[in-house]
Amino acid sequence: GENVEQHPSTLSVQEGDSAVIKCTYSDSASNYFPWYKQELGKGPQLIIDIRSNVGEKKDQRIAVTLNKTAKHFSLHITETQPEDSAVYFCAASETSYDKVIFGPGTSLSVIP
Amino acid sequence: DTGVSQNPRHKITKRGQNVTFRCDPISEHNRLYWYRQTLGQGPEFLTYFQNEAQLEKSRLLSDRFSAERPKGSFSTLEIQRTEQGDSAMYLCASITLGGPGNTIYFGEGSWLTVV
Repeated sequence: GENVEQHPSTLSVQEGDSAVIKCTYSDSASNYFPWYKQELGKGPQLIIDIRSNVGEKKDQRIAVTLNKTAKHFSLHITETQPEDSAVYFCAASETSYDKVIFGPGTSLSVIP
Repeated sequence: DTGVSQNPRHKITKRGQNVTFRCDPISEHNRLYWYRQTLGQGPEFLTYFQNEAQLEKSRLLSDRFSAERPKGSFSTLEIQRTEQGDSAMYLCASITLGGPGNTIYFGEGSWLTVV
């Protein structure tokens, strides 16, 4: 089955700096890669996703890249703000409506 | 509120007792998922339903766990003879197939503490 790894497990950045989280997956059948933000005591919330036919996608301060050959994908957050502090999960699935396999998470702290 | 609704949000139970969680998906979402999340870990897939049919169960879903979706709308997850290792957040998610740009929406979760 699919296995998703994620690094780093914790990340601390100064407000205004960029944050990068990297993930790898194992199953070449995966074609959909969502990223979730989870705040304390809440469920995961989708922040951006990318499909295998796209190499890069951007939404305001958030961008994701995908290297399907290497089975790597990354999340980039620019101009970080304190409200970006949360746990971020990368994930993989065959399609956007199949079960999602999550990575272990990255705890991001943005220091004002 | 038109999101995925889960109840109760928190449950404390004694070891050996049975507990049941309910999930109300987004209206007309025909696919419903259950996940379990322990502290410091990512959510782990447990099972999912397509309408009322349970199509896949993870090995994590032991015999003490049972999930139902009798009318293809709300779902229940029952844990019998709870153990301390069952302490976790149980997440429900839903999606409807066939729509463009569809994605899975998660609820806020139900926290279970077994003492």
